[in-house]
Amino acid sequence: DIVLTQSPATLSVTPGESVSLSCRASQGISTSIHWYQQKSNESIRLLIKFASQSISGIPSRFSGSGSGTDFTLSINRVESEDFSVYYCQQSYSLLTFGSGTKLEIK
Amino acid sequence: EVQLVESGGGLVQPGRSLKLSCAASGFTFSDYYMAWVRQAPTRGLEWVASISYDGGSTHYRDSVKGRFTISRDNAERSLYLQMDSLRSEDTATYYCTCFNYGTDYFDYWGQGVMVTVSS
Repeated sequence: DIVLTQSPATLSVTPGESVSLSCRASQGISTSIHWYQQKSNESIRLLIKFASQSISGIPSRFSGSGSGTDFTLSINRVESEDFSVYYCQQSYSLLTFGSGTKLEIK
Repeated sequence: EVQLVESGGGLVQPGRSLKLSCAASGFTFSDYYMAWVRQAPTRGLEWVASISYDGGSTHYRDSVKGRFTISRDNAERSLYLQMDSLRSEDTATYYCTCFNYGTDYFDYWGQGVMVTVSS
């Protein structure tokens, strides 16, 4: 199975800062990576598909980049509602998820 | 508004069975593949099983093959997961989700239902 390693496990930031979350695949997966947000007591939400493609209804401050093995989810000027856990998922071979990055308030 | 509402979770003893249900609304149910994804505290998110538009094709992760059965009723707009021979490692929150075949990312998710396997 393809293993996805997310880093850091926890990221402490102040609202208004911009951040980058990393997801590294154990082998090349082209751009078959997708990003999700999980808030406590809410449904998981799709943020970005195929590494960099936007999703209708998702704020433009969320963006994605990367190909091959290294991928990044960027949040431009973090807002209070963004503090949650973020997961990457690959669809290149079977379906696997990363272990998540928790974005918390500093 | 898309809604996926899971039900049927609870506490069950090892070796027993449980059936999860998911009621869908707000989208054309029969246009989507459906899946169950689970989340255990120590293992993160795991895809469990998927089913095609008409139920004719199903896929399972190795650890649940032969024990879990995914099914759907398009007329009722419902998805199911029959879980037999449950093990402690099946303890998790189970999410109902949908995706388009060939893209394999999950468009919408339910709130999840907790399954605890313990004696």
